[in-house]
This record gives sequence, structure tokens and C-alpha cells, in this order.
Amino acid sequence: GAVVSQHPSWVICKSGTSVKIECRSLDFQATTMFWYRQFPKQSLMLMATSNEGSKATYEQGVEKDKFLINHASLTLSTLTVTSAHPEDSSFYICSARDYLAGGNYEQYFGPGTRLTVT
Amino acid sequence: RKEVEQDPGPFNVPEGATVAFNCTYSNSASQSFFWYRQDCRKEPKLLMSVYSSGNEDGRFTAQLNRASQYISLLIRDSKLSDSATYLCVAFSGGYNKLIFGAGTRLAVHP
Repeated sequence: GAVVSQHPSWVICKSGTSVKIECRSLDFQATTMFWYRQFPKQSLMLMATSNEGSKATYEQGVEKDKFLINHASLTLSTLTVTSAHPEDSSFYICSARDYLAGGNYEQYFGPGTRLTVT
Repeated sequence: RKEVEQDPGPFNVPEGATVAFNCTYSNSASQSFFWYRQDCRKEPKLLMSVYSSGNEDGRFTAQLNRASQYISLLIRDSKLSDSATYLCVAFSGGYNKLIFGAGTRLAVHP
């Protein structure tokens, strides 16, 4: 399957600081990428859909000014958690959609970033 | 009612057993379905895509029943390494996003 990388894999930051997470599709071009968050023992929660060259679409309840998403190229999307607080501590996972011949697609996930805000 | 529902398990089975997971979805317009496996503290990994009635890959078989709106995953000859959480996922074209079930935990023991 296709490969999606994510950096950093884990980060610890102080409350009030900002953290940037990068997501790259390594062997395919991804016009659409997704950002998810997962709390322990819970399922993935979609935060936003990121489309190359346009503004991200945020899910209900997700603050767009707090979670800044940039998708400036076909292989890179970034998520910046601004003014992070302890309740933002979570596992953040990006995903990229690889379109296949015939109109189908498969979606691959990055390895995730574990954010801890102290 | 959740859009995609799965039995959370856990399913505890011995090595070599055959185990089946069922998943139901509520949106009849869902077009494609996927099974992912997720290990503890790791990202989901795509196991199988289901676009028509089913798919088979080695020990894994997925079946789709659109009339009854359920998808199943059958694992034959279970291995210890199959222990994970299995996520049933539906693609909703109307929302252009994947809808995840909460996952079914599988524990394979010696």
C-alpha cells in the first residue's frame, strides 16, 4: 500500500505554546488529506478535511482558529495546534487518499503524533 | 443510532480458530467499505477494501450484503499476530469522508 509519513512522532510542549505536525504522502500525490484525533480507548474522530490549494473543511465542534491546517502541495499537509492546553493532549493522525483507476480510492494513515501538553 | 456499528468484543480465540466480525451501517448510500486493523497506540492500517460483494486476501475474507446493510470479516487460521482492534469503515460519498465504527477487539491466545 501507499506510504504516509508524519512528523514528529511524539512531542511534549508547555501550555500556551504552538505545535506543528507535518503529514506527507511519500509515493503518491494526495489532493485530499484528513486530520484525525484519537483519545485512549476511543475511535478516531475526524477533525478536518484538507484539500490542496484551498481552505480546510472542519468538522462541527472543531475550532478552525485553534487547529490551523495548511495543504500547500500535493504531498504535504500541516496541522498547527495553537496555544495548546493540556486537554489538547491526544494522538493526532493524518490520512491521505490515494485515488485508484476506476474511480475507487484507498485511504492510508500516517503513524500518528502523540502530543502531550504540560 | 451510530452510522457504523460493531460488536466491541473482545473476541478471545485460540490460535488456529476461525473468527467472524459483523458490522452494520445505517446509510444505504454508502458506496465503499474498508476493514482496517489498529494495534495499541498505533495508526490504523488498511486490511481490505470492499467495493462490490466481497473480497478475499489469504486468510481474510470480507463479505458485503447491501440489502441487509452489513459487512463481515472472516479470519481463518488465526495467528497470535492477528490480535488487534478491527475497524469497520464506510465511505459516504455525500459527506466525502470515511465513517468509522468503534472497532472490535480480537485477542488470539496460544
